[in-house]
Amino acid sequence: AQSVTQPDIHITVSEGASLELRCNYSYGATPYLFWYVQSPGQGLQLLLKYFSGDTLVQGIKGFEAEFKRSQSSFNLRKPSVHWSDAAEYFCAPFSGGYNKLIFGAGTRLAVHP
Amino acid sequence: DAGVTQSPTHLIKTRGQQVTLRCSPKSGHDTVSWYQQALGQGPQFIFQYYEEEERQRGNFPDRFSGHQFPNYSSELNVNALLLGDSALYLCASSLGGRTTFRTDTQYFGPGTRLTVL
Repeated sequence: AQSVTQPDIHITVSEGASLELRCNYSYGATPYLFWYVQSPGQGLQLLLKYFSGDTLVQGIKGFEAEFKRSQSSFNLRKPSVHWSDAAEYFCAPFSGGYNKLIFGAGTRLAVHP
Repeated sequence: DAGVTQSPTHLIKTRGQQVTLRCSPKSGHDTVSWYQQALGQGPQFIFQYYEEEERQRGNFPDRFSGHQFPNYSSELNVNALLLGDSALYLCASSLGGRTTFRTDTQYFGPGTRLTVL
């Protein structure tokens, strides 16, 4: 069965520091991968997605993610974090069939001024 | 361009009651998926509706049912509410199509917070 792991439950960084959030998936076929962000009490906003092609994907708000098949990873990165980036981040592989997303447990990001 | 909308925003019910949540998809989208997000967890897939039919279902009991209307809007119904049904219920819309394998992006609404007392 497909699954996804986000090893870091909480991460705290200083404003202006770089950020990397980890995501590992278990998927037999070519995966389709998404990162979503959720602010407190809000729905999910799409940050970026990988379907095929270039393994480095650019998203909104300055985020990028790199797909590494050999490591079954799709880590999210940002070179300089802003206080407004504090939120919960979800990695979600696409499960075969009718477009069902499988979400990880999420990583909660705190940003210190 | 209106995004995905959900109503109500918050809802408080007691055990054993029934609840109906509503979702209007993003303009141009024809597929609606529902997810349950318990506190501190990631969303879990409940089911998906396309062409007014449920075409995929997650691991949820029959107490959870839904409906899709000709205008593509959707309802989620939960009967015999349990305390464990307290969660944020998220609706997502996408372009469905007739193929069995779609990668169209899902866009989420703000959710309905259900509290069961």
